[in-house]
Amino acid sequence: EPEVTQTPSHQVTQMGQEVILRCVPISNHLYFYWYRQILGQKVEFLVSFYNNEISEKSEIFDDQFSVERPDGSNFTLKIRSTKLEDSAMYFCASSGDRPYNEQFFGPGTRLTVL
Amino acid sequence: QQPVQSPQAVILREGEDAVINCSSSKALYSVHWYRQKHGEAPVFLMILLKGGEQKGHDKISASFNEKKQQSSLYLTASQLSYSGTYFCGTGGGADGLTFGKGTHLIIQP
Repeated sequence: EPEVTQTPSHQVTQMGQEVILRCVPISNHLYFYWYRQILGQKVEFLVSFYNNEISEKSEIFDDQFSVERPDGSNFTLKIRSTKLEDSAMYFCASSGDRPYNEQFFGPGTRLTVL
Repeated sequence: QQPVQSPQAVILREGEDAVINCSSSKALYSVHWYRQKHGEAPVFLMILLKGGEQKGHDKISASFNEKKQQSSLYLTASQLSYSGTYFCGTGGGADGLTFGKGTHLIIQP
């Protein structure tokens, strides 16, 4: 069964450093998302991406964040200058060719900012 | 505006039933239900759309009251594997999902 994959599974970085989190969505999906989950809290929406551009972003997704789909398969989230409060699990998700399809989540990348 | 879930936590014995509720202060087009086990990604359970369309797992049932902007997830004859945190989410499509705070479900043997 096709699945969303994410790399790395765990990333440790120093405050102020740039990180890139990578995702490979399910191949025929058209909608892509990034979410984050601070330990013990709910899953929070960051950004959605459709037709090679950002569809919507939350207030969390400020100028420090950016997303790219550099080729036909990868979907990346970049954090330009990490802060301690960016420490969280970051989930990528993808959804099929219709709006309001189910979203399939990847296993997540645990980001730890020291 | 995030949806509000109730109860916050439920403890059941194996075989018992549970209902988890989700309500929103704004009009809903869709409600999505996910289960997350500790340290894992959320797993899709059910999507309910305005107009009555539903898609999800056979062993899970849910309702969507569009007028009241509420949805309920029904877990019957619970099994140990049902333990986890259940999230409802609203939105979807190009907009991403806004999740509630979750309902923690513990199933005891």
